Amino acid sequence: GAVVSQHPSRVICKSGTSVKIECRSLDFQATTMFWYRQFPKQSLMLMATSNEGSKATYEQGVEKDKFLINHASLTLSTLTVTSAHPEDSSFYICSASGRAGYNEQFFGPGTRLTVL
Amino acid sequence: QQQVKQSPQSLIVQKGGISIINCAYENTAFDYFPWYQQFPGKGPALLIAIRPDVSEKKEGRFTISFNKSAKQFSLHIMDSQPGDSATYFCAARAARGKLIFGQGTELSVKP
Repeated sequence: GAVVSQHPSRVICKSGTSVKIECRSLDFQATTMFWYRQFPKQSLMLMATSNEGSKATYEQGVEKDKFLINHASLTLSTLTVTSAHPEDSSFYICSASGRAGYNEQFFGPGTRLTVL
Repeated sequence: QQQVKQSPQSLIVQKGGISIINCAYENTAFDYFPWYQQFPGKGPALLIAIRPDVSEKKEGRFTISFNKSAKQFSLHIMDSQPGDSATYFCAARAARGKLIFGQGTELSVKP
């Protein structure tokens, strides 16, 4: 199956700083990437959908100025959490979907963000 | 309309038993129903998936049963093993490839 990587796997930062998380599709071209957030013992909640070369589409209630998403190439999307606060601490997971006919979303291993 | 309801929240099964997890949905426009397995601290991994024009799909010990008229689908894990202990999520695909996840079921298989 297709492989999606995330970097870093875990990050600890101080309140008020910004953190960038990378999501890469290693062996296929991802026309669409999705970003999810998962709190402990809870389900995955979609934050935004990004298509290569286009602006991301954010889900209702997700602040687009706080969670900046860039999908500059067919293999890389980044999520930047700006001015992070403790309530942003969560498990962030990306997924990638390929070209037409490639139906599955392939998930990355996740990034654990802890904001002190 | 966009919700997927999953039950039970947690499940304990003896080794060798059958684990059954159920999901229900309302939106008839959903066109793809995957099940994911997630271990602590890891991303979800696709286990098995089904389309609404199929009533059952089996892959090894894992079977999806799909009832289109009732808008329900379920995952059956036969001969459950301790290594199957994980959290399982059902999902349904909406427009633009967006996945709607169920609430998750924490499965524990006792030796």
